[in-house]
Parts: sequence; structure tokens; C-alpha cells
Amino acid sequence: GDSVTQMEGPVTLSEEAFLTINCTYTATGYPSLFWYVQYPGEGLQLLLKATKADDKGSNKGFEATYRKETTSFHLEKGSVQVSDSAVYFCALSDRGAGSYQLTFGKGTKLSVIP
Amino acid sequence: GAVVSQHPSWVICKSGTSVKIECRSLDFQATTMFWYRQFPKQSLMLMATSNEGSKATYEQGVEKDKFLINHASLTLSTLTVTSAHPEDSSFYICSASGRQGPQETQYFGPGTRLLVL
Repeated sequence: GDSVTQMEGPVTLSEEAFLTINCTYTATGYPSLFWYVQYPGEGLQLLLKATKADDKGSNKGFEATYRKETTSFHLEKGSVQVSDSAVYFCALSDRGAGSYQLTFGKGTKLSVIP
Repeated sequence: GAVVSQHPSWVICKSGTSVKIECRSLDFQATTMFWYRQFPKQSLMLMATSNEGSKATYEQGVEKDKFLINHASLTLSTLTVTSAHPEDSSFYICSASGRQGPQETQYFGPGTRLLVL
């Protein structure tokens, strides 16, 4: 079945540091890939997505490139801010499976300190 | 972007009572809504998928008689936790996808925190 594996946290960075959160996936069909962010006490918000190989999703300075050859969708940001502190979830939606259900990774908690 | 609301955001109830949580898509028609449960420091667990006008499809291990889902319109789905017990205390999140929004993109509600005493 489909699965998503993302790096375990927590991750603690200083402000303006470079961020990478690794995400790899397995899927039976042709998945779309997503990063969701959950700020403390809130629900999930879509951060970015990519629907096919080599697509790059980007938003708020975050980027992730859909790499089919390595089945990866790593999240990156060049300079993090304290306001980026949140839990980040990598997810996939496997259209080939005939469903738009999301399969989530376990989440990576990011703490950015001033 | 698409907006999904949930009501209530917080609920505290006595053991044995039933609690209804509403999920609404505010600016698009949601043909499909999903209900998740999130335990502390863990990922989201899909409970069920509901399509407007039809019965919900429950994930393995989720009791359909305990977690009643109704998707009566294209903008509203409800989750009723029947005869709630302390172990049902959790963070319940809905999401919606469908018309007027990318079908494969789910938009999440802010969640409902349930505490059963």
C-alpha cells in the first residue's frame, strides 16, 4: 500500500538557518504530493503541492520538488523564521488508486529559536 | 483559497453523552469530505470518507455505529460521537475536496478538540 516516510523530529534551528525536511514515498499509482503545516492549536493548512514528476511546489519561501527517480519530495527553506515553528506533514494522494484519500507521514516538529 | 470551518472548536462533555461536530465548506461545493482523528504528537488517522448523498466509507477499526457521519449537502458534513467515553477524547479534523476547487486537494478545517470527562 501507499506510505509516506518523513524524517523524525523534533528539529531545532536558529533563525535564518537553512531547513530541509526529508520525505520519501511509496505508491502504486501516480501520486500527487503535498506538504501541510500545522501551527500550534490549529488545523492543517496546505503549504504546497506538486502533481507530477519534476514539478516544484513553492509557497512562503518553502520549496519541494517531485523527484520520481528517488521517490522523494523534500521540503526546503533557505532562511527560517521563528514564525515557521510548526509541525510539517508530508502527504500523498494516489489518483491511480481511484481515490483522493491522503496518506500522511508522521509529521516533523520544527522549532525555530531567535 | 478554499475555506473549511468546523463547529464547535472545543467541546467538553460527560461520559455517555453524544456530541455532534459540524464541518462546512464555505466557498465551494464539497463532493467528498474526510474525517480524521489526531492523537497528541501523532499524525492524522483517517476515520472515514463521505460522499454527498451516500453512506460514509469507514476505515478498518473505526466503529461506524459509534462515529455517525452524515453528508447531507454539498457544504455540510457532520460527525456524531455517540455515547462518548474518555478514550474518545481527541482532536477531530475534517477536510473537504470537490467542485470549484481542485478535486485532489483537500482543505482542512481548524479541528475540534473533544474532551470526555
